Amino acid sequence: DGGITQSPKYLFRKEGQNVTLSCEQNLNHDAMYWYRQDPGQGLRLIYYSQIVNDFQKGDIAEGYSVSREKKESFPLTVTSAQKNPTAFYLCASSIRADFGEQYFGPGTRLTVT
Amino acid sequence: LAKTTQPISMDSYEGQEVNITCSHNNIATNDYITWYQQFPSQGPRFIIQGYKTKVTNEVASLFIPADRKSSTLSLPRVSLSDTAVYYCLVGAVNNAGNMLTFGGGTRLMVKP
Repeated sequence: DGGITQSPKYLFRKEGQNVTLSCEQNLNHDAMYWYRQDPGQGLRLIYYSQIVNDFQKGDIAEGYSVSREKKESFPLTVTSAQKNPTAFYLCASSIRADFGEQYFGPGTRLTVT
Repeated sequence: LAKTTQPISMDSYEGQEVNITCSHNNIATNDYITWYQQFPSQGPRFIIQGYKTKVTNEVASLFIPADRKSSTLSLPRVSLSDTAVYYCLVGAVNNAGNMLTFGGGTRLMVKP
């Protein structure tokens, strides 16, 4: 089955630690995205990638980093510089960045204490 | 950057038609309008996308007036399982930068 997967579903970390969230897609999509969602709020774009080895900052990139070494994978690292990392993180992909629906993964709920 | 505005919440009853409107006054010429549905603790799911006039699929219709400054998602004969948050998304990301804006979402509650 084609789709987009995120792991793990739940993640717990201590403050001051970096943590990497996984996102994989087998849809052969060029574009991939990371969003953050806080309780009761909408989605905010963290980073996006239009093609392999290229990515751009979204609206709230501070404290996050990404890589896009393979078309299928777009991992997100939440660094210790992110002041409020506890949130629901969603990864998505689309055929192209400027067109087409986004397919979302199931999300990773990160809790930092 | 197209900013979107949606009602925060709406209530409806089973079997009724529900219309959710999204305002996007600064929509750009090349922007498409896309609607997503999200259940708690899940990723959003695509419902429908359009550019102008009317688009219909098996689950919804999307009405876009000529000036494209707003759009209305129409859900015919809603059921309890349609209780969710509905997001309007305008624009896209491209070489000119990030022009992707999710609205705050409309929380639809369908009652029996």
